[in-house]
Amino acid sequence: NAGVTQTPKFQVLKTGQSMTLQCAQDMNHNSMYWYRQDPGMGLRLIYYSASEGTTDKGEVPNGYNVSRLNKREFSLRLESAAPSQTSVYFCASSEAGGFNQPQHFGDGTRLSIL
Amino acid sequence: GNSVTQMEGPVTLSEEAFLTINCTYTATGYPSLFWYVQYPGEGLQLLLKATKADDKGSNKGFEATYRKETTSFHLEKGSVQVSDSAVYFCALKTNTGNQFYFGTGTSLTVIP
Repeated sequence: NAGVTQTPKFQVLKTGQSMTLQCAQDMNHNSMYWYRQDPGMGLRLIYYSASEGTTDKGEVPNGYNVSRLNKREFSLRLESAAPSQTSVYFCASSEAGGFNQPQHFGDGTRLSIL
Repeated sequence: GNSVTQMEGPVTLSEEAFLTINCTYTATGYPSLFWYVQYPGEGLQLLLKATKADDKGSNKGFEATYRKETTSFHLEKGSVQVSDSAVYFCALKTNTGNQFYFGTGTSLTVIP
């Protein structure tokens, strides 16, 4: 059982380039999330999708777009990458409606913007 | 609003020492509480959880008790090992929304 799979694991971009981070889960979860993790900042929510067909902004959505492609997949797009977006990005999923259900995380995408 | 406050790190302990990592929370709804662990180069993994007041979550020798009166969920372990070296995150989710709220994490290093 793979859980939450993120691709790619590492990426280096130049300022102004675009890219899409992919995330897929095989646990039939309704809710999916994108976070960024920076030193000393903990996890900050970028966007989330409570269910297929819906997306909502989190704490730091500027510079990002998301697509909930289907129940399994939730992608994060950087349209014009900036050095401030250098970070580790984590995708997570959980059951919706059950507030006692935890999140399950992928292993992260380490992104550097030069 | 909803928020989680964790003790500042980093924490360095000798093997077999007692560990406490403090976590307090504020919540507008009724929260479930979680501790996650992150090993170097990996994602977060659920360590334990508690879903109602006075519940004790436990796993791998770690424990935390949901204290509604003090709005706390402190993580404890009686005897840490080198393999416990990691970053620990306290988190909550309420019954009124879909978001999880995380503390900033506490880095633990256990030395032999």
